[in-house]
Amino acid sequence: GEDVEQSLFLSVREGDSSVINCTYTDSSSTYLYWYKQEPGAGLQLLTYIFSNMDMKQDQRLTVLLNKKDKHLSLRIADTQTGDSAIYFCAEIAGFQKLVFGTGTRLLVSP
Amino acid sequence: DTAVSQTPKYLVTQMGNDKSIKCEQNLGHDTMYWYKQDSKKFLKIMFSYNNKELIINETVPNRFSPKSPDKAHLNLHINSLELGDSAVYFCASSHQLMGQASYNEQFFGPGTRLTVL
Repeated sequence: GEDVEQSLFLSVREGDSSVINCTYTDSSSTYLYWYKQEPGAGLQLLTYIFSNMDMKQDQRLTVLLNKKDKHLSLRIADTQTGDSAIYFCAEIAGFQKLVFGTGTRLLVSP
Repeated sequence: DTAVSQTPKYLVTQMGNDKSIKCEQNLGHDTMYWYKQDSKKFLKIMFSYNNKELIINETVPNRFSPKSPDKAHLNLHINSLELGDSAVYFCASSHQLMGQASYNEQFFGPGTRLTVL
């Protein structure tokens, strides 16, 4: 099927690290993306990783990719209250279509 | 200087009515999309257009008809609205078609919350 799975909810305290996990389906997806959706807004690209990489770091964000298990994760270091949002992973499935994960709602408490 | 804009932001209407949502992008992109996000936040693609040509048409009822008068606009017309059409509809655009050969960011509009009573 085309379901890209994520855990629904994650709650952390400010200053902790957050790890959001994603299991994707299409092993031929050459790019994998992480998008952020703040309340009442559209999605915004956070970062992406090329499939020949295992890891990508971008300031507080670290993306890990395990192609064998089709597992993608997003780590946010020093999580802030402004990071509270819904996070979506996405893969390019088949031909010209971006398929989004089920979304993880991150709640950061002071 | 909004990149992708949609109107209206909110739309409340009765079952059976016909309504349209407009989308415009000023990024000079070739490809535009419509997505539906349901109450559980699941986001699914409905349509994509490239240079005014329909590329993707997911299993969407015929009551939904996209129209692209030019590359910068992709409007969504919905006939005979049903309760199940209630959702947030997002327009998006990208420089080119999504593909495996290159990185390609999609830029999203702020969404239109449609409520069918």
